[in-house]
Formats: sequence, structure tokens, C-alpha cells
Amino acid sequence: AQSVTQLDSHVSVSEGTPVLLRCNYSSSYSPSLFWYVQHPNKGLQLLLKYTSAATLVKGINGFEAEFKKSETSFHLTKPSAHMSDAAEYFCVVSDPRNTGGFKTIFGAGTRLFVKA
Amino acid sequence: GAVVSQHPSRVICKSGTSVKIECRSLDFQATTMFWYRQFPKQSLMLMATSNEGSKATYEQGVEKDKFLINHASLTLSTLTVTSAHPEDSSFYICSAPQGKGTDTQYFGPGTRLTVL
Repeated sequence: AQSVTQLDSHVSVSEGTPVLLRCNYSSSYSPSLFWYVQHPNKGLQLLLKYTSAATLVKGINGFEAEFKKSETSFHLTKPSAHMSDAAEYFCVVSDPRNTGGFKTIFGAGTRLFVKA
Repeated sequence: GAVVSQHPSRVICKSGTSVKIECRSLDFQATTMFWYRQFPKQSLMLMATSNEGSKATYEQGVEKDKFLINHASLTLSTLTVTSAHPEDSSFYICSAPQGKGTDTQYFGPGTRLTVL
């Protein structure tokens, strides 16, 4: 069965320091993997997506994630946190269905706090 | 870029009444849309897949008669919570694929439902 595990419910960093949000997945197929960000009272925004083209995926706002098949991980990183990065982050897996289409499964989310 | 809108953004209703939530794709067509439910400080849970011109596909454990979905056109899907009860209070989010054959989604801003 497909699943997504975000290893930290919340992460706190100081502004200007690196960010690491951890995600592990399990899937019977070769899934698409995503990171979405949710700011308060706003819709989810796509940060980046992994298909199979490259294991290191660069996204918006300086974020990137590395797909490691051997570790079934897709951790999100950013070299230097900004106050505006404070939000909820979701790791997402999308698996194809037998009947066509796909099913999206969300991780539990990681709340990122950025201290001045 | 493409936008998905939801209306209303917030709704408060009395127990036993029905509430309709609209999800629109503003500048693109969506033969498929998805409905999610998000409890406070929790992740998104896929409720159902809305299919234009055919019946919606519900995830296991989601009551079809409770959550009526109608995909009336290529730009509109509606979710009706029938005979709402306080336990139906939640944040409902819709999404639509960014294009045919892609599993990357645009998400709506969500609708906060409070049942008194």
C-alpha cells in the first residue's frame, strides 16, 4: 500500500540557517513525488515535483529535494531559511490507479517555524 | 497561471441543513477534480474524485449519500454536505489536474465549514 511519512511534525530554524524537512514514502509503483506548501488562509502551492528525469529536483523559492530510491526518501531542503518560509509543508505521493487516473496521498505535514 | 477557486470561503450552518460548496477552474478545463477534507492541524484526506459527465468515485469510508458530488461542466464541480452535523465541520479543499494526463494539481483555497 502507498504511504507517506513525514518524520517531523514541526521543525524550528533560525533565519538564515538551512532547512531540512524529511519525507519517506512507500509505493508499489514508480510514483510521482511532490512537495506542497500551505500558508495560512491560502491554497496549497506546488514547490517541486519528482518524476524520473533527475534525482535532484529544484523548486521555487530556493527549495530543492533529492529522490533516493534506496532509502525511499524525498527530503526537502533549503540552504537559508527566510521568515516568509514559515508555513505547513506536505510531502505527497501520486500513484497510478489500475482503473486509470491517479490517487494522491498526503503526508501528515510538517510545520516550519522560522525564528528571527 | 491557472487558478482554482472555491465558494464560499467560509460557511456556518445549523445542524440538519445542507451546504453546497463550489469548485471552479477559472481559465482551464478539468474533466476531473478532487475533493479533500482537512481536519485542524492534520493532513488532507482524499474524499472523492469528481468526473465530468459521470459518477464520482468515492474513497473507502466516505459516504456517498452524505457527500454528494456533481461535476456539471468542464469548469465546475460541487460538493453538497447533506444533513450536516457538527462532526462534518472541517476544511474542504478541491483540486484539479494542471492538464490532461498529469498528476500535478492546482488547489483551491479551501472552504471552512462550521456546523452548529
